[in-house]
Amino acid sequence: QQQVKQSPQSLIVQKGGISIINCAYENTAFDYFPWYQQFPGKGPALLIAIRPDVSEKKEGRFTISFNKSAKQFSLHIMDSQPGDSATYFCAASILGNTPLVFGKGTRLSVIA
Amino acid sequence: DGGITQSPKYLFRKEGQNVTLSCEQNLNHDAMYWYRQDPGQGLRLIYYSQIVNDFQKGDIAEGYSVSREKKESFPLTVTSAQKNPTAFYLCASSIAAQTGELFFGEGSRLTVL
Repeated sequence: QQQVKQSPQSLIVQKGGISIINCAYENTAFDYFPWYQQFPGKGPALLIAIRPDVSEKKEGRFTISFNKSAKQFSLHIMDSQPGDSATYFCAASILGNTPLVFGKGTRLSVIA
Repeated sequence: DGGITQSPKYLFRKEGQNVTLSCEQNLNHDAMYWYRQDPGQGLRLIYYSQIVNDFQKGDIAEGYSVSREKKESFPLTVTSAQKNPTAFYLCASSIAAQTGELFFGEGSRLTVL
């Protein structure tokens, strides 16, 4: 059973455009939703995370939008740059209770 | 320079051989994790450990074993019972179990010939 469904699998965006990656979850007990960024040959690193008490969180060009009723959250990358080209993973967990469950990942390519 | 060190970075083994992947952390974190990454499959949890001398199975523990004799170390053994061992293995740690941010190592790529 896939607890976190991520889409699209791959994404190509023009430099300066907006990249949008979506995730849906099933377990309503999840209360922590991070996004990780992974460059080729490296381990993932935390990019941004949100708790369900807010609907949006912004850090620089990266924004998480959270829709509790729809059980969905998304990552928006504004003014996408070639250096943003990486694989992005959404994840979810019950803080203090369960390990992170990851989506299958989205490979983003930002082209000039 | 704090972080997670995984070794070796690349490893080749013949089918039927056991292999042990090393993971060491100097972040003073209590919890450590092993994930497996396959193309298009995301990260799947193999084992995790909340404290020394204790560990729990993740979603895909069959064919793997771990030990946690020291806080800093969490080695993973891929046994001959693992049907498809060729993969990218990632070790991670967090301050305490299930408390949020995971810090990952750079991974070990195992190829079974």
